Amino acid sequence: DIVMTQSPDSLAVSLGERATINCKSSQSVLYSSNNKNYLAWYQQKPGQPPKLLIYWASTRESGVPDRFSGSGSETDFTLTISSLQAEDVAVYYCQQYYNSLLTFGGGTKVEIK
Amino acid sequence: QITLKESGPTLVKPTQTLTLTCTFSGFSLTTTGVAVGWIRQPPGKAPEWLALIYWDNDKRYSPSLKTRLTITRDTSKNQVVLTMTNMDPVDTATYYCAHRHKDGNNWYTFDHWGQGTLVTVSS
Repeated sequence: DIVMTQSPDSLAVSLGERATINCKSSQSVLYSSNNKNYLAWYQQKPGQPPKLLIYWASTRESGVPDRFSGSGSETDFTLTISSLQAEDVAVYYCQQYYNSLLTFGGGTKVEIK
Repeated sequence: QITLKESGPTLVKPTQTLTLTCTFSGFSLTTTGVAVGWIRQPPGKAPEWLALIYWDNDKRYSPSLKTRLTITRDTSKNQVVLTMTNMDPVDTATYYCAHRHKDGNNWYTFDHWGQGTLVTVSS
């Protein structure tokens, strides 16, 4: 299995400030044949299912605000919220879909400082 | 508009078999490049992928749970069924079903999820 490790476990950020979440995979999730990283980011609020924010490591899902951005390649990835809003309080998960044995990171809880 | 909804028992006893149904709309599981998966999430923990069934009836299972899981489909009813045998209290979780698809040779990840159903395992 590809193990996904997120850091930090939680972070508190002031409204309007930047939040940065890291995700590391135990092996590369970059397919050389199409140069795509099979890495997604989800947002989950209490009582709700995970919501897809970003796929291919950096492509925003339709309707996702542009303050959310993803970057990275191969084994190291970052989710950045450029200007934290109150509605962004949630747990964020990275997930690899490089193969059919999909795996999730442990999650990062984002709160308001 | 794609929607999925999970249904099944909310409480099962240890050693029993759990059967969950995912009823979906807005897509067909006979369309090339479509799949439905099951994911579970214990309270306060990260999601864990369980199983996938593809448009061609190919199936994939989590290696750690493979011996306990069976995924099937009923295309006439737009349903996917997951059975998990020998339930244990550690299997207490919210169980979700979700849609994924591919475009050409590129598989996308789960883009639409059901609301989930909480299953508690207790005697």
